[in-house]
Amino acid sequence: DGGITQSPKYLFRKEGQNVTLSCEQNLNHDAMYWYRQDPGQGLRLIYYSQIVNDFQKGDIAEGYSVSREKKESFPLTVTSAQKNPTAFYLCASSLRTGVDEQFFGPGTRLTVL
Amino acid sequence: RKEVEQDPGPFNVPEGATVAFNCTYSNSASQSFFWYRQDCRKEPKLLMSVYSSGNEDGRFTAQLNRASQYISLLIRDSKLSDSATYLCVAPNYGGSQGNLIFGKGTKLSVKP
Repeated sequence: DGGITQSPKYLFRKEGQNVTLSCEQNLNHDAMYWYRQDPGQGLRLIYYSQIVNDFQKGDIAEGYSVSREKKESFPLTVTSAQKNPTAFYLCASSLRTGVDEQFFGPGTRLTVL
Repeated sequence: RKEVEQDPGPFNVPEGATVAFNCTYSNSASQSFFWYRQDCRKEPKLLMSVYSSGNEDGRFTAQLNRASQYISLLIRDSKLSDSATYLCVAPNYGGSQGNLIFGKGTKLSVKP
């Protein structure tokens, strides 16, 4: 089955700890994205990557970091510098940025206690 | 930054009703448009792409009006299962950030 997987589905962390969210796709897509969604709000772009070993900041990159060492994988680290990390995090991929539809993983709900 | 604007709703309609959502976009150069559906606490899922000539998929029809810079989604014969939030999507060609912009969504609630 082709698709995007994210793990874990639910994640609890103590304040001040860094945490890494996993995103893997086997769709052979070049572009990958991370979004944050807060209750009742729209999607906000954190980072995106157009190709391996390249990534760009989105609208709310502060307090987050990413890497793109493999085409299939685009992990997101939520650092202790992120002031309000509790949110629903969505990973997506597409063939190309800005033109093609994006396909989403099931998301990770992060709660910082 | 280019924006996509949607009426947040909620739209509360009875089963069998026809409902229409509009969405305006600000980037006149936009070429690719989409409608997504998002169920509560789930990821967005592609509902349909929006083509210049308009397109139809069963009970769903999407239209593009370039002159007025809006896209629309029409749902006929609403079902209870259509209850969800509908996200309008357009490209953002501002500067180097070639990407898609998601609207905040329009909530639809179909009642028996």
